Amino acid sequence: SAVISQKPSRDICQRGTSLTIQCQVDSQVTMMFWYRQQPGQSLTLIATANQGSEATYESGFVIDKFPISRPNLTFSTLTVSNMSPEDSSIYLCSVEDDRSVFEQFFGPGTRLTVL
Amino acid sequence: TQLLEQSPQFLSIQEGENLTVYCNSSSVFSSLQWYRQEPGEGPVLLVTVVTGGEVKKLKRLTFQFGDARKDSSLHITAAQPGDTGLYLCAARRATGRRALTFGSGTRLQVQP
Repeated sequence: SAVISQKPSRDICQRGTSLTIQCQVDSQVTMMFWYRQQPGQSLTLIATANQGSEATYESGFVIDKFPISRPNLTFSTLTVSNMSPEDSSIYLCSVEDDRSVFEQFFGPGTRLTVL
Repeated sequence: TQLLEQSPQFLSIQEGENLTVYCNSSSVFSSLQWYRQEPGEGPVLLVTVVTGGEVKKLKRLTFQFGDARKDSSLHITAAQPGDTGLYLCAARRATGRRALTFGSGTRLQVQP
């Protein structure tokens, strides 16, 4: 399975600032996804990020708030802009294994706290 | 409305007991995955089921996909403290987007 790393692993940020989260994969993958996991909750999809095209956002998530980059097949970034305490969550990067389109693997997550 | 209903939400049992977690929906899925997540980590894939009626075993864990591909169950035999964690079912729709939709999760605590 693909090995996924995320930076930073955690951060504490001030209201109104922005944070960019990086996701690095050890192999080339077509499909990458960003999820949010609020405290004590399950995972909610933010957007799908494919290389060479605009990210596709789910209902309730907009590009101005969560801009995403996908410059190549092994890397993506998610920015959380103009943060508020409600953005405190774990943000997870996920990839679909190109060798098995049924399986998705997750990074360790970035734990964000907004004061 | 949650697309995937998972039950129970919380489960606290003694070591050695058996348990079953359910994942139900009114929608048909092309595949369904079960994950386990421990605090401070991302979800770890346990199994993928694709065929209606499919049963897969992973040591003490037995996974079943419903005949109509709308539901699934996870059965753990002789639970151990190491089984403690958040269990998540996740499914991909038969048509449309490739990303997974997650159930609400089952938080399992196995007491020694």
